[in-house]
Amino acid sequence: VQLVQSGPEVKTPGASVKVSCKTFGYTFSSYGINWVRQVPGLGLQWVGWVSAYSGDRNYAQSFQGRVSMTTDSTTKTAYMELRSLTSGDTAVYFCAGPLDRIDVGDNFYFNGVDVWGQGTSVTVSS
Amino acid sequence: EIVLTQSPATLSLSPGDRATLSCRASQTANSYFAWYQQKPGQAPRLLIYDTSTRATGVPDRFSGSGFGTDFTLTISSLEPEDFAIYYCQHRYNTITFGPGTRVDFK
Repeated sequence: VQLVQSGPEVKTPGASVKVSCKTFGYTFSSYGINWVRQVPGLGLQWVGWVSAYSGDRNYAQSFQGRVSMTTDSTTKTAYMELRSLTSGDTAVYFCAGPLDRIDVGDNFYFNGVDVWGQGTSVTVSS
Repeated sequence: EIVLTQSPATLSLSPGDRATLSCRASQTANSYFAWYQQKPGQAPRLLIYDTSTRATGVPDRFSGSGFGTDFTLTISSLEPEDFAIYYCQHRYNTITFGPGTRVDFK
C-alpha cells in the first residue's frame, strides 16, 4: 500500500487549495481516506474522511463549510479542497488509508491499518 | 467530544530502557484506540490499533493496553530507532489525537 500526494502549494489569504492523494496497492473503491493536518512543530489535527465507495463524508467540525473531499475511482485518487485560506491553515496535510467507517446504530467508528502519504506543505502568505 | 491528554510530554530514556506512555481520555472511551509514531520530517506510522493489536511489521517490543479512560503504549526495551514522538488516537464518531509524547535520549 502506498499513498502519493501532490506537491507543495503557496497560496494567498482567501484563496483555495486542492491537494491530491493517489493510491496504490489496494482496492481503492472498497475503503475510505482520512485527511489530517499538522501545523509546523505542533500536533495532528483531523480534517475529515471520505468514502471511495459511497461518497459519504465526515468532516471535523472546525472545517465544516470550508472543506470538500472527493474521490475518483478511475484514477484511484482522493482530493481535499480547503477554501477561504488564512495564515492559520499553513500546515502539512496528510492523507491516510485505507480506512473504513463502520456504522453501529447512530454511532460509527473508523477501522483499518492505515498508511500515510508523504504530506503536502501548504503555505498561506500574502 | 473526547479530549485526549498524553503524559509525560517528554520522556528522557536510554536504549534498553522500558518506556511507558500514557493517554487519558476526558470521558470513558471504547476500544477504538490507536497509537502512531512520528519521526522528524516523516509522516506518522501506525503502530497499534483497537487498543492492543500491532500493525503489520511492528516489532513485538511495542504493546498497547487500556480500558475506560486510561490507555498505555509500552516499549519493552528501547532501540535507537524508537526515539520519536508518539500520538494516541481515538476513532469513535470522530477522530481525535492526543498532543503527543516525545521520547528522547537521556
